[in-house]
Parts: sequence; structure tokens; C-alpha cells
Amino acid sequence: NAGVTQTPKFQVLKTGQSMTLQCAQDMNHEYMSWYRQDPGMGLRLIHYSVGAGITDQGEVPNGYNVSRSTTEDFPLRLLSAAPSQTSVYFCASSYPEGINTGELFFGEGSRLTVL
Amino acid sequence: AQSVTQLDSQVPVFEEAPVELRCNYSSSVSVYLFWYVQYPNQGLQLLLKYLSGSTLVKGINGFEAEFNKSQTSFHLRKPSVHISDTAEYFCAVSDIQGAQKLVFGQGTRLTINP
Repeated sequence: NAGVTQTPKFQVLKTGQSMTLQCAQDMNHEYMSWYRQDPGMGLRLIHYSVGAGITDQGEVPNGYNVSRSTTEDFPLRLLSAAPSQTSVYFCASSYPEGINTGELFFGEGSRLTVL
Repeated sequence: AQSVTQLDSQVPVFEEAPVELRCNYSSSVSVYLFWYVQYPNQGLQLLLKYLSGSTLVKGINGFEAEFNKSQTSFHLRKPSVHISDTAEYFCAVSDIQGAQKLVFGQGTRLTINP
């Protein structure tokens, strides 16, 4: 029972490089989202999706792209990495009733450093 | 829009002592309230939630929280903590339309000393 799986767990990039953080869930959850966690700022929502083919912006979407071609996967793309994107990224998912009651299932996080 | 303020960034307590982690929220509409816990090097997991009904909510691991609408607070309490409670705790809020945009507080790091 894998739950929410994020890869890679650690990544170091140079400014201007691009990369994709992968997120996969095996719970058939319709809702998926990406958060970033920075010291003293808690978690901030980047993008979310309520189903395949549907995505929307969160609080801090600039510099990130997402797509949702399948229910299982929700990759987060950094097109041109900047030092300000150094953070820990969390993917979360939920089912319809869970979304209505705030129950999110989180992955273990991906730590990204941009030099 | 909603916002959440956790009043303490760090709370050190001795094992078996009681603890209260404070959370205040701001919203112009009715809200749902949550506490999540993050153990070291792990993702977050739901500790407890307030949706409606009784203002005293019980969660996992002996934690409870009380919703106070007049003071816009949702403080988390445990009467006797254990070393294993060492973690970061996040208060979160969403409007009653759902948690598509769950808003988190800054987090409180709880450290239990033997």
C-alpha cells in the first residue's frame, strides 16, 4: 500500500535548469495538490487538481507548471529554476469526501536546492 | 480569504507535562479547522478536525482541540506528552466549500525533554 509517492527525494539544480518533481498515488484519489514548505512560513499551495484534465492555481503558482493526464500522476515542473524555489515540496491527495472535510494524504516530500 | 496564525514557533516541554499549542484564524465566512502533525523526515498527517457540532474535538494520540468562535481560536492540547510527540504541528483552515485551498499556519515545533 504505497499511498502518495514522490520522486526524487533530494535534488540539486543550478539556476536556470529545468526539472520535474513526480507525484503518484495509488488510492484512486481525484484530488491532488502540490505544496511548498519554507521555514517559518508553513505550507503554501502551489497548484491543485480536482480530476484528470483539470488544474488550478494556488497561492504561489509563479514559476511552476502542472498537468494531470491521469488520475494517478500529478507532476510539478520547474521551467527555469531560481534560488527562491529552494524548498521542500509536498504532494498531497484526497478523495471527494476527504476534500470536503480537509483530510489530505501527504507524500514524504522532495527537498530541492537551487544554487 | 482565510489566514492562520500559530502564536508559538517553538514549544519545549518536559515529558509527562501538559501542553497547549495555540492557533488563531481569520475568516469572513464559516470555516473548517484542522491540526496536522509532521514527524521528522515525514509528510504531514491529519491529527484532528473541526467541521461542526461539539466544539471539543478529540484526535489521535490523545490530542484534543477546542473551537472558540468568539476568540477565533483552535488551540491544541494534550494533558501528558511523551517523547514520541516530538514533531512539528500545523494548524490549518478552509472555508466550508471544501479543502481545495487548505491554508496552513507557520507551524509549531514541539520538543519533549526527558
